[in-house]
Amino acid sequence: DAGVIQSPRHEVTEMGQEVTLRCKPISGHNSLFWYRQTMMRGLELLIYFNNNVPIDDSGMPEDRFSAKMPNASFSTLKIQPSEPRDSAVYFCASRNTGPSSYEQYFGPGTRLTVT
Amino acid sequence: AQSVTQPDIHITVSEGASLELRCNYSYGATPYLFWYVQSPGQGLQLLLKYFSGDTLVQGIKGFEAEFKRSQSSFNLRKPSVHWSDAAEYFCAVGPRNNAGNMLTFGGGTRLMVKP
Repeated sequence: DAGVIQSPRHEVTEMGQEVTLRCKPISGHNSLFWYRQTMMRGLELLIYFNNNVPIDDSGMPEDRFSAKMPNASFSTLKIQPSEPRDSAVYFCASRNTGPSSYEQYFGPGTRLTVT
Repeated sequence: AQSVTQPDIHITVSEGASLELRCNYSYGATPYLFWYVQSPGQGLQLLLKYFSGDTLVQGIKGFEAEFKRSQSSFNLRKPSVHWSDAAEYFCAVGPRNNAGNMLTFGGGTRLMVKP
């Protein structure tokens, strides 16, 4: 089992550029989550999908952020245009929504730096 | 609104010493409770969880946690710390009707282990 895969692991970009973060959930998991981790705000849930459908995006900070899940094995988080305050570690997690299964499995994260 | 407080940002213990990490939550009803660990450069890994029943729960890596309803606490303990336990620890809560998805995380406690 490869676990949750995220790419890239590190991204450095200039303010105003578009950034796309990618996630491959664990095969068979039907829920996927995007989190952002910063020193100031800790770990925040941005959005989550169930069976490829966005269920709750109330944590998405603003319209510059968008997330898609075109199929069960792939999701993207896009920031356009990026700003320095978007610098953070972005985690993707997945889980199986079977009964009594509540553990989220996290990927290694993408460290984003916007200059 | 729900919140999770981890009062200790940093804790340093000597290898072999006992450990207790504090977690308090504010919630409308007793939530589902979790402890996750994050090693440097890695995603989060579930240590243990509490849903109901015995208020002392056992987890992986020799960790345990005790749920105290009267104190709204879910403190993590380990009788003898190993150097490999150095990491950041996150307490999280989730609503009973959506526990696997809408997690709220505490700010984390960074554990350092002295030789």
